[in-house]
Amino acid sequence: EIVLTQSPGTLSLSPGERATLSCRASQSLSSNHLAWYQQKPGQAPRLLIYGASSRATGIPDRFSGSGSGTDFTLTITRLEPEDFAVFYCQQYDSSPPWTFGQGTKVEI
Amino acid sequence: QVQLQESGPGLVEPSETLSLTCTVSGGSINNYYWSWIRQPPGKGLEWIGYIYHTGSTNYNPSLKSRVTISVDTSKSQFSLKLSSVIAADTAVYYCARSISWYANFDSWGQGTLVTVSS
Repeated sequence: EIVLTQSPGTLSLSPGERATLSCRASQSLSSNHLAWYQQKPGQAPRLLIYGASSRATGIPDRFSGSGSGTDFTLTITRLEPEDFAVFYCQQYDSSPPWTFGQGTKVEI
Repeated sequence: QVQLQESGPGLVEPSETLSLTCTVSGGSINNYYWSWIRQPPGKGLEWIGYIYHTGSTNYNPSLKSRVTISVDTSKSQFSLKLSSVIAADTAVYYCARSISWYANFDSWGQGTLVTVSS
């Protein structure tokens, strides 16, 4: 099973600032099959990024994903008030079980 | 736009079987992979397993001995059964869609809280 470790646990920022979230895999994701999700309180997760760097439909371009192998990053260039939430990475590489990171909370 | 809706009891007694159904609307259940994912209160996400419209399944080894996922394409529904539940099975249970067996989850239900308690 591939373990994903996200850092930091909490990120305290202000609107307009840049957020950089990290996700590290316990083994290399050979096909860069990594996704990022945003979850707001009381809501289901929403897909932001798939394939490490492709934005999902309707996702603003201030969200971007990068990385390969074992190290991946989600960047939010200019935080909007609605962006404050918990973010999860998820791997779907090689074979199940699919696993998620423990989450990074982006707070004001 | 596809919509997913979970339904089932919100309270299950310990040692009993948790049963949930996900109804798919606004799109076809065919040619997609359908997963169950859970989230204990205040914690992270855990993938439980998936089913294809043909009935092919894959389960998380950590739950495999207790999980059954089935599909009813005529009703556009798929279901989860988790047996011998304990308090640690208390969670919000989500159903979700993938375009492939090795894919992210692009559509999610709103989730339903299931509490295991006597």
